[in-house]
Amino acid sequence: EVQLLESGGGVVRPGGSLRLSCEGSGFIFSAYPMTWVRQAPGTGLEWVASIDGPGGRTFYADSVTGRFNISRDNSKNTLYLQGDSLTAEDTAIYFCARDARAASGVAAFYAWGQGTMVSVSS
Amino acid sequence: QSALTQPASMSGSPGQSITISCTGTNYNVGSYTLVSWYQQHPGKAPKLLIYETNRRPSGVSTRFSGSRSGNTASLTISGLQADDESDYYCSSYGSSTFLVFGGGTKLTVL
Repeated sequence: EVQLLESGGGVVRPGGSLRLSCEGSGFIFSAYPMTWVRQAPGTGLEWVASIDGPGGRTFYADSVTGRFNISRDNSKNTLYLQGDSLTAEDTAIYFCARDARAASGVAAFYAWGQGTMVSVSS
Repeated sequence: QSALTQPASMSGSPGQSITISCTGTNYNVGSYTLVSWYQQHPGKAPKLLIYETNRRPSGVSTRFSGSRSGNTASLTISGLQADDESDYYCSSYGSSTFLVFGGGTKLTVL
């Protein structure tokens, strides 16, 4: 069974940092592109960042470019999201998700974690 | 990065068919087949219903189907059931941004 388990959420002060982790199991982690998607309270889904299987190519939404960094450690089957200079607009549930297809991917997210809440507040 | 445009809400009666639209631009929906649809129940993670415009993952009901014409993609749900009451989101790969989601459609089953 494919499973994704996020961790690292919590309350962060404005201007502070976050580091989220997502451990995958039940599939060949290194074969699949991975993505972070967030959802602010009461709003829709927002794509945040994606990374290819080997970890050499990354993509970011304009809203987080320059502040967030997506990375992965395939030896630990773990995906990461590092974020700096957080503002209230970064308050959201952060989901990690696995692409529906290995290798090149199809920009579709077949498996999702349960989400981890990040609240930016003083 | 403007979101794809979806109707904010729709409704239908059990047994009916409904179609949710998702309008983008020549930079995303109009130029790529990498359009996906998700269903999200309150408090849950999204569930993939359709990928590559019209492909269904294993286990997804055949009542869900996808299509695309020009800059607009569509999700059709046939034989509407009570459990279909949910939020639905489209997404598309794009040339100006890797991925963009629609604003979401809240479907009510009357």
